[in-house]
Amino acid sequence: GAVVSQHPSRVICKSGTSVKIECRSLDFQATTMFWYRQFPKQSLMLMATSNEGSKATYEQGVEKDKFLINHASLTLSTLTVTSAHPEDSSFYICSAPGLAGGFTDTQYFGPGTRLTVL
Amino acid sequence: SQQGEEDPQALSIQEGENATMNCSYKTSINNLQWYRQNSGRGLVHLILIRSNEREKHSGRLRVTLDTSKKSSSLLITASRAADTASYFCATPSDTGANSKLTFGKGITLSVRP
Repeated sequence: GAVVSQHPSRVICKSGTSVKIECRSLDFQATTMFWYRQFPKQSLMLMATSNEGSKATYEQGVEKDKFLINHASLTLSTLTVTSAHPEDSSFYICSAPGLAGGFTDTQYFGPGTRLTVL
Repeated sequence: SQQGEEDPQALSIQEGENATMNCSYKTSINNLQWYRQNSGRGLVHLILIRSNEREKHSGRLRVTLDTSKKSSSLLITASRAADTASYFCATPSDTGANSKLTFGKGITLSVRP
């Protein structure tokens, strides 16, 4: 089946630094990828839709200057958390739509990145 | 308001028993999906049911959809300890390909050996 990887799986950084998270579709191309964040024991909240070759679409309330998204190729999207603060600590997950039974409605998720900002 | 509300929020059962989880949603949909998340991991797609389907099976999973009540249920039969995870229902925002998903709050299932 389709595989999506994320790197790094865990990152600890100091407040004020920037952190880049990569999301790759390993065996399929993805013109669209999604970025979510998840707080402990909570559901996934969509942050933005990453579009290859164009600007990302951010959800209401998500600061685009803080969470920079670059969809560099058909297999890679990156999320950069700029000037990270402790409240940015969370589990970040990416996904890419893929074919499942011929439909592109389902999504394949990366394993997630645990960000801890000290 | 959040599309997709599951109940119960937590469920604890004995291995071998069946687990039933429910999901309600608010707007019209063309499909509803169930995902599983093991602790600290990404989500895994389990099953998709379309609006013109009432029931669907996949191995030990059985999903129903009642569009008149805007609800779906996920049944896991003969549960195993490995089924311990969080389960989410999700609905797409529109009918187009690559549409974004909105997830429910999730149900934490614990299967006791």
